[in-house]
Amino acid sequence: DAGVIQSPRHEVTEMGQEVTLRCKPISGHDYLFWYRQTMMRGLELLIYFNNNVPIDDSGMPEDRFSAKMPNASFSTLKIQPSEPRDSAVYFCASSHDRATQPQHFGDGTRLSIL
Amino acid sequence: AQSVAQPEDQVNVAEGNPLTVKCTYSVSGNPYLFWYVQYPNRGLQFLLKYITGDNLVKGSYGFEAEFNKSQTSFHLKKPSALVSDSALYFCAVRDRRGFKTIFGAGTRLFVKA
Repeated sequence: DAGVIQSPRHEVTEMGQEVTLRCKPISGHDYLFWYRQTMMRGLELLIYFNNNVPIDDSGMPEDRFSAKMPNASFSTLKIQPSEPRDSAVYFCASSHDRATQPQHFGDGTRLSIL
Repeated sequence: AQSVAQPEDQVNVAEGNPLTVKCTYSVSGNPYLFWYVQYPNRGLQFLLKYITGDNLVKGSYGFEAEFNKSQTSFHLKKPSALVSDSALYFCAVRDRRGFKTIFGAGTRLFVKA
């Protein structure tokens, strides 16, 4: 059974460019989460979806960040325009529609903004 | 508001010795508690969880954790550490009324051969 798939694994781009991160959750999972991990701030929840609908986006740092989930098998996190302080590892995770179930994480996208 | 504390940034242990990674939490009501492990350049992997019932929970790779309600703790343990256990460990708590999971800052475990 395939896990959560994220692409690209690495992204290096210049400040001001648009960045799009992609995620394919595990089939049948109803919840999808986007996290950001940095040394300074640890693991931060940015936004999560339930049945493709955004439920809580209070962790999205600025209007430069946006996330969509057009269907149950695909989500994107977009940064426009990107800034050097956005450099981090971005993780997508998914889980079943039960609070007792663990989250399954992808291997992340390491983003570097020059 | 719910929170999780992992008081140790790093834990060092010799191979074959028992290990403990500490976690304390704050949440209203009874919590759901989780431990995850992260290896370099990988996502977090689920190890074990406490939902209800027996306070001692067994999980993957020989790990276990003890839920202590009075001390609001959920420490991760393993009787005999392996070098391959060296990784970053995260404790997480979820309020039963909500769905947001709060992760601790992580504890880096070094197991020396």
